[in-house]
Amino acid sequence: DTGVSQDPRHKITKRGQNVTFRCDPISEHNRLYWYRQTLGQGPEFLTYFQNEAQLEKSRLLSDRFSAERPKGSFSTLEIQRTEQGDSAMYLCASSPTDNQPQHFGDGTRLSIL
Amino acid sequence: AQSVTQLGSHVSVSEGALVLLRCNYSSSVPPYLFWYVQYPNQGLQLLLKYTTGATLVKGINGFEAEFKKSETSFHLTKPSAHMSDAAEYFCAVSRNQGGKLIFGQGTELSVKP
Repeated sequence: DTGVSQDPRHKITKRGQNVTFRCDPISEHNRLYWYRQTLGQGPEFLTYFQNEAQLEKSRLLSDRFSAERPKGSFSTLEIQRTEQGDSAMYLCASSPTDNQPQHFGDGTRLSIL
Repeated sequence: AQSVTQLGSHVSVSEGALVLLRCNYSSSVPPYLFWYVQYPNQGLQLLLKYTTGATLVKGINGFEAEFKKSETSFHLTKPSAHMSDAAEYFCAVSRNQGGKLIFGQGTELSVKP
C-alpha cells in the first residue's frame, strides 16, 4: 500500500494557461474522488469515478474543468484558461468500494500568477 | 441535503489539557461521520469514523468522538493534548462510507508548551 500519489505537488502558472494534474490511487481502489480546498476552508467535492465511469460532478466543476479516468486506474484533472480563483489545493482520494472510507493524497497546490 | 458546522475556527490548549473540537451536522438520512486531520502541506488523514452501532468511537492517536443523534453532534475529544496534535481538523458527513464527503470549514488546533 503505497498510498494515493499526486503529481505535481506544486504548480505555478500564468492566468489563461491550461494545467493538468495526475492522481494515482491505491492499487485496486475502484473509487476515485477529486476535491478542491481553498485557503482556510474545508475541501469541497468536485467529482468522483467508479472505475472509468464518472458518476457525479459538482456544479463547482465549470466547463473549464474536465476529469478523466480512462482505464479505471489513474485520473487526470485538467483546468483550461486558468483564472485567479482557481488557485487552491486539489486533493485526490480513493476507496476500495463505496462502503470503505477514503484515503487522501498530499494534493497539488496550484498558484495562478 | 447534508452540511457540517464546526464551532470555532481556532482552538488553543496547553500541553496535557483536554482537547474538545465541536462538530454539528445536518442530514436528511442517517449520517456517516468522520474526523480527518491535516498537517501543513499534506493531505487528510482519517482519525475516526462513525457508521452504525456504538456511538462512542475511538480513533488513532488517542482521539475519540461521540455521536449524539438528539444533539446532531459529533464532537472530537482527547484527554491530554500533545504538541504533535497541532494541526487542522475537519469534520465530514456522508451518505455512506465511500460516498462524497461534505466537510466543515475546519478547526485549527494549537498546543502551547
